[in-house]
Amino acid sequence: DAGVIQSPRHEVTEMGQEVTLRCKPISGHDYLFWYRQTMMRGLELLIYFNNNVPIDDSGMPEDRFSAKMPNASFSTLKIQPSEPRDSAVYFCASSSEFLRTEAFFGQGTRLTVV
Amino acid sequence: GQQVMQIPQYQHVQEGEDFTTYCNSSTTLSNIQWYKQRPGGHPVFLIQLVKSGEVKKQKRLTFQFGEAKKNSSLHITATQTTDVGTYFCAAPMNRDDKIIFGKGTRLHILP
Repeated sequence: DAGVIQSPRHEVTEMGQEVTLRCKPISGHDYLFWYRQTMMRGLELLIYFNNNVPIDDSGMPEDRFSAKMPNASFSTLKIQPSEPRDSAVYFCASSSEFLRTEAFFGQGTRLTVV
Repeated sequence: GQQVMQIPQYQHVQEGEDFTTYCNSSTTLSNIQWYKQRPGGHPVFLIQLVKSGEVKKQKRLTFQFGEAKKNSSLHITATQTTDVGTYFCAAPMNRDDKIIFGKGTRLHILP
């Protein structure tokens, strides 16, 4: 397996534009996590899915953020409209068991909103 | 909310010196995980500790889980330049039922 695959690796967009980040988890993993990393706040869990169903989205900062998982091999995190304070590295991770096994992280998407 | 506190935030050591980072929680943890993130990279799992007082070793890395399962440490013996990066602890917060990452300890190695 190629691991967790995220795209794009880098995204620069203007304030107000819609941004869509994509993730392909490891095949067979039932859990998918979206994290945001900044210097100030560290690694924050935004939302996680179990078997494609969103379980906890309490970490999603605002209604501008939304996430979907239409099938077991694909998830998106969308920001609309984007703002400069959304600039961060967004990681997707997947795991086979919740809380008891390691999470495998993707390479991340570095988002810059100007 | 519940969180894991990690100290120190930064550490500079001479190559060959030892390094330790600590992770503390106000509540009992069911388990704790450690991750390493190289500069510009993504977090990579190192180990998971589950039992009270557990000690695990990976070459020059020693991981400990406190007897009360409220704290943990990662110790690196004789650091090398390849140890550069940020070390995170992560633990499930039972009340919220999700994994919380510490802020990490950034390790710099001076040649």
